[in-house]
Amino acid sequence: QKEVEQDPGPLSVPEGAIVSLNCTYSNSAFQYFMWYRQYSRKGPELLMYTYSSGNKEDGRFTAQVDKSSKYISLFIRDSQPSDSATYLCAMGGANNLFFGTGTRLTVIP
Amino acid sequence: EAGVAQSPRYKIIEKRQSVAFWCNPISGHATLYWYQQILGQGPKLLIQFQNNGVVDDSQLPKDRFSAERLKGVDSTLKIQPAKLEDSAVYLCASSLGGGSNQPQHFGDGTRLSIL
Repeated sequence: QKEVEQDPGPLSVPEGAIVSLNCTYSNSAFQYFMWYRQYSRKGPELLMYTYSSGNKEDGRFTAQVDKSSKYISLFIRDSQPSDSATYLCAMGGANNLFFGTGTRLTVIP
Repeated sequence: EAGVAQSPRYKIIEKRQSVAFWCNPISGHATLYWYQQILGQGPKLLIQFQNNGVVDDSQLPKDRFSAERLKGVDSTLKIQPAKLEDSAVYLCASSLGGGSNQPQHFGDGTRLSIL
C-alpha cells in the first residue's frame, strides 16, 4: 500500500467553479500536511501548510485535514484559468515528506 | 529572496553516458534535498543533506548516482552511467532545517532525457 494516494485526474472545470482535491494516507504518524502547485515545466510551489486537523484558509484556498479518517482536501473557490496546474499533496512525520502523484487541473475560461 | 537555482534546465544524453546537475539553495537554508520526478508521478526523495552531511540516502541508487555538498551550500548530483529509466526531472529543494515540519522550497528542476 502506498503511503499517500491521490486521484491523478485529470480534472476539468469551468471558470468560477469550486474545486475539491483529495488525498488519503495510511501512516497515522503523519503530522504535517502540505499542498504544492506545479505549473508545467516548473518546480512545485508551496501553497498551503497545516499541522493539525481542521481547516486553514488563505484567500480562495482552503486546506482541510481529517486525521481520524486519514484524509486531506484542498478546496479552490472561484477557480480561475491561472489555477490550471498539477496539485500535489505532501505529508510527513518527523522526517521525510511523502508526495502524492498529483492531480492535473484545467480551468476552462 | 532568491529561490533555489538549478542548472542546466535541460539535458539530453545517450545511455551509458554521465551527467551532472547543480543546485544552489536559498541562502541560509541548512537542508538540501534532491528528488527525482518521473512523468505523471510525485517527487521521490533521492538524498537529503543537513549542511554538508548526508541525512538520508536510502533511495539513492548508489551504483550509479552520487551527490555531494562539500561546503554546506551548493550541491551536485551525478549519474554515471545513465540508464533509460533515469529519464525524469531532477528537482532540488531546500529548507531552513530538517524534518517534514519545515516547508521545502523547490527549484524548477533539470529535465533529463536519455536516448
